[in-house]
Amino acid sequence: GDSVTQMEGPVTLSEEAFLTINCTYTATGYPSLFWYVQYPGEGLQLLLKATKADDKGSNKGFEATYRKETTSFHLEKGSVQVSDSAVYFCALSSNDYKLSFGAGTTVTVRA
Amino acid sequence: ETGVTQSPTHLIKTRGQQVTLRCSSQSGHNTVSWYQQALGQGPQFIFQYYREEENGRGNFPPRFSGLQFPNYSSELNVNALELDDSALYLCASSLGLDGDTQYFGPGTRLTVL
Repeated sequence: GDSVTQMEGPVTLSEEAFLTINCTYTATGYPSLFWYVQYPGEGLQLLLKATKADDKGSNKGFEATYRKETTSFHLEKGSVQVSDSAVYFCALSSNDYKLSFGAGTTVTVRA
Repeated sequence: ETGVTQSPTHLIKTRGQQVTLRCSSQSGHNTVSWYQQALGQGPQFIFQYYREEENGRGNFPPRFSGLQFPNYSSELNVNALELDDSALYLCASSLGLDGDTQYFGPGTRLTVL
């Protein structure tokens, strides 16, 4: 079945540091890939998505590229801010109805 | 355009009780999905409703049931609550069945004592 494996946390960074969160997936067919973010005490917000191979999703300075050959969708940001402190979830949706999520990576950015 | 709303925000129940959680989908969306997020884990798919019919179900026992109403709002019912049912329950709405871009509500935090 479908599954997502993402880098274990927690990750602690200083402001303006470079952030990478690794995500790999196993799926049948050609899934759509997503990054969701969950700020403390809130629900999930869609951060970015990519629907086919080599697509790059981007939003709020975050980027991720759909790599079919390595079945990966790593999240990157060049210069993090304290406000980026949150839990980040990689997810996929195959040719069915559900999202399959990774376990989440907690990111803390210190001023 | 209103987003996805859920009620109640928090709920405390005791083992063996029954609970109903509610979700209003985003305006224009006809599909609602429910997820369970245990502490420190990613959300797990419970089921999905499309136009008042169950469209798919995850690996949850039959005591987890749901409804979708003509206005596309939805309920999640859990009978015979167990301690392990303590979690954040998330509702997500989307337009259609393609599994793309689901928009999540803030969740209901259920604690079972």
